[in-house]
Amino acid sequence: QVQLQQSGPGLVKPSQTLSLTCAISGDSIFSDFSAWHWIRQSPSRGLEWLGRAYYRSKWLTDYAVSVQSRITINPDTSKNQFSLHLNSVIPEDTAIYYCTRDFDSPSGYWGQGTLVTVSS
Amino acid sequence: QSALTQPASVSGSPGQSITISCTGSSSDVGSYKYVSWYQGHPGKAPKVMIYEVSTRPSGVSNRFSGSKSGNTASLTISGLQAEDEADYYCSSYTSSNTYVFGSGTRVTVL
Repeated sequence: QVQLQQSGPGLVKPSQTLSLTCAISGDSIFSDFSAWHWIRQSPSRGLEWLGRAYYRSKWLTDYAVSVQSRITINPDTSKNQFSLHLNSVIPEDTAIYYCTRDFDSPSGYWGQGTLVTVSS
Repeated sequence: QSALTQPASVSGSPGQSITISCTGSSSDVGSYKYVSWYQGHPGKAPKVMIYEVSTRPSGVSNRFSGSKSGNTASLTISGLQAEDEADYYCSSYTSSNTYVFGSGTRVTVL
């Protein structure tokens, strides 16, 4: 059974960097057929796809245009986990952040979600 | 990439059928089979109800069905039940190798 365990702070100050980690158990981050995504949800913006990392002989990433200048998704292969870094955060980045594997398929798995509030 | 367009709310009486639309463009919905539908409840991760336009995962009621015509995908819930009351979202793969979600639809069972 695949499990995704999220960790990271729930409060970030404006202009600082939001950093979350997603630890994978029951699967390898090197899976040739899977992709590892970050998605967020807020009352004002609904669900928003942020980006993904996936391994196809090499590591690849894709990011949403809305955040591409501020986002990095990094795989940590030594710990079988991946991370989200979103810099220069503003209050509008306040949301529940989810890590997922293959979120749009029936074989998808989601982390437990992390409420991140951007406030001074 | 703008969010896919969904009606903000749809309602129906028990036993009725409702349809939720999801309108995108030729860069997303119109060009790919990777359109999915999700059911969401507050505080819980969304659940996939339909994937690849019209395929229903095992365990999802056959009252849920999906289709696509041009740049618009649709989710139909037949025999509406109280337990179907939730938020519904669509998503699509895009020509930029990204994904985009719909704006979300609140389904109310009258």
